[in-house]
Amino acid sequence: QKEVEQNSGPLSVPEGAIASLNCTYSDRVSQSFFWYRQYSGKSPELIMSIYSNGDKEDGRFTAQLNKASQYVSLLIRDSQPSDSATYLCAVVSGTYKYIFGTGTRLKVLA
Amino acid sequence: NAGVTQTPKFRILKIGQSMTLQCTQDMNHNYMYWYRQDPGMGLKLIYYSVGAGITDKGEVPNGYNVSRSTTEDFPLRLELAAPSQTSVYFCASSFGQAQETQYFGPGTRLLVL
Repeated sequence: QKEVEQNSGPLSVPEGAIASLNCTYSDRVSQSFFWYRQYSGKSPELIMSIYSNGDKEDGRFTAQLNKASQYVSLLIRDSQPSDSATYLCAVVSGTYKYIFGTGTRLKVLA
Repeated sequence: NAGVTQTPKFRILKIGQSMTLQCTQDMNHNYMYWYRQDPGMGLKLIYYSVGAGITDKGEVPNGYNVSRSTTEDFPLRLELAAPSQTSVYFCASSFGQAQETQYFGPGTRLLVL
């Protein structure tokens, strides 16, 4: 079982719709969770971080964490073509163990 | 602030050649990391450092070496390049421990032929 799993996609949504991206992880003691956005040929940039169970909202983005079920999700409301990118889930266990998923490619159709 | 800078942006190496990938950050971050990203894959940690003079191995350290003589610089050394090291290399830094946000450099694309 991979430590951090994401559906590779592509996930295609129409402009204005809600995009839902999911990530599951295997280490129960994981403490910190991040969503990074990576445009093609560019470096990852942080979208959201979440540390406790529940929802965290920032503009059009909402991160959801459920530690009991070991999953974290990212919702993008009112999706725009500029949101088209690969979204990487990262899970941290311990002091340095920062594990990335393989990413989900999102395509927002105009 | 320039953030995290990496040089070169792109390099072609022949099998068996060596090179150093440079990484510098100007944010006074303690933690620095080297990752590689193969096409369609996530990021794999090569080496990391928690401060000047302290480095440790990540998931995929074979074929690489690092040093950290200053807070700002964290070079990655490839001694005997192999085709399997063809990848995009990202350097990242964070202020404190891994629980904090990592800031990435623009990456170095390496092709080994």
